[in-house]
Amino acid sequence: KAGVTQTPRYLIKTRGQQVTLSCSPISGHRSVSWYQQTPGQGLQFLFEYFSETQRNKGNFPGRFSGRQFSNSRSEMNVSTLELGDSALYLCASSLTGEVEQYFGPGTRLTVT
Amino acid sequence: GDSVTQMEGPVTLSEEAFLTINCTYTATGYPSLFWYVQYPGEGLQLLLKATKADDKGSNKGFEATYRKETTSFHLEKGSVQVSDSAVYFCALSDSYGDSSGSARQLTFGSGTQLTVLP
Repeated sequence: KAGVTQTPRYLIKTRGQQVTLSCSPISGHRSVSWYQQTPGQGLQFLFEYFSETQRNKGNFPGRFSGRQFSNSRSEMNVSTLELGDSALYLCASSLTGEVEQYFGPGTRLTVT
Repeated sequence: GDSVTQMEGPVTLSEEAFLTINCTYTATGYPSLFWYVQYPGEGLQLLLKATKADDKGSNKGFEATYRKETTSFHLEKGSVQVSDSAVYFCALSDSYGDSSGSARQLTFGSGTQLTVLP
């Protein structure tokens, strides 16, 4: 079974632009979560989606948003990019009734 | 709120040495506990898990026991290999009694860089 896939793997954007990242969960997984990883703040939870509904949200500004489609694929969007948004963005999926989350390879975003 | 405190790194060991990475947690509910591993340039791989007190998670020679009385989940391996060099993260997921049992947000420790020398 294919793992979690994320596209693109690398992205370079300029301050003020917006960006959309995509995540395809493991087949059959309906929960998708997003995390930001930076050297300074470590791994921080952004939000979780289940059945196209945002079920949980971390402490990030409104510039960070997401959505989930009927096939469980998810996108996250960051508007008005700031230098501090440079990070590895990780997506994870999980199976209903299971506690473990399985991570994708991440999207490395660099904001210049 | 929930938190995870992990042993500060980096940790450098010789091949075949014994490994312990300490992890303690604070949670209000009944958390599940995890160890994830991250190799350079990659995402996180689930190494092992434990969902209730006294459970022992194990995988690839790594073990960790859920100790509720000490709120700990220390990672151990009897004989490390060069290929074990990576960053290890302790994490918890507090279900808050979620009846669906679905995964909730993970709270991570700061990570411990392990380097194993031949």
